[in-house]
Amino acid sequence: DIQMTQSPSSLSASVGDSVTITCRASQSITSYLNWYQQKPGKAPRLLIYASSTLQSGVPSRFSGSGSGTDFTLTISSLQPEDFATYYCQQSYSTPLYSFGQGTNLEIK
Amino acid sequence: QLQLQESGPGLVKPSETLSLTCTVSGDSISSTPYYWAWIRQPPAKGLEWIGTIYYDGYTHYTPSLRSRVSISLDTSKNQFSLRLTSVTAADTAVYYCARVGSVRSVYYYLDVWGEGTTVIVSS
Repeated sequence: DIQMTQSPSSLSASVGDSVTITCRASQSITSYLNWYQQKPGKAPRLLIYASSTLQSGVPSRFSGSGSGTDFTLTISSLQPEDFATYYCQQSYSTPLYSFGQGTNLEIK
Repeated sequence: QLQLQESGPGLVKPSETLSLTCTVSGDSISSTPYYWAWIRQPPAKGLEWIGTIYYDGYTHYTPSLRSRVSISLDTSKNQFSLRLTSVTAADTAVYYCARVGSVRSVYYYLDVWGEGTTVIVSS
């Protein structure tokens, strides 16, 4: 099984800040990495797929990068609606997938 | 516009079987080559992949649940279903169904989700 590890588990930031969340895979997954945003009581929402491709309708302040085992999600100029939990997910072993444990982004 | 909706009992007794259905509207689950998936989220915890079913009925399950889980299609109702046997309190969670979209059948991702349904395992 491919294990996904996110860091940090939680993060505090202010509106206007830029933040970076890291995701590490237990083996190389090339660029088969997706990012999701989840708000309380809601289903997750796809933000980025294939490591760096923005899903339609997602603001350009979200960006992703990385390949192999190390990946990052960066949110520049945080907006109030960005405070949520973020998950990475590998699709290298399609159709068996795994998620990171999540990063909770809170308002400072 | 594709929409997914989970349905099923919100309360299941320990040792019994959890059964949920995901109704798909806006597309046929049997005519297009997509995977369809079940994911769950225990209270205050992260997302856990349960399994996927291909439009032709081929299934894949996460190893930790493989002995207790099955996913099936009902093309006449445009639905797919989840069965989880011998449940315990650890199976209490919000259960989501989702479509696995793809780009050129190379990159796969969960692009359409149901709103989720809460299942509590308790006597």
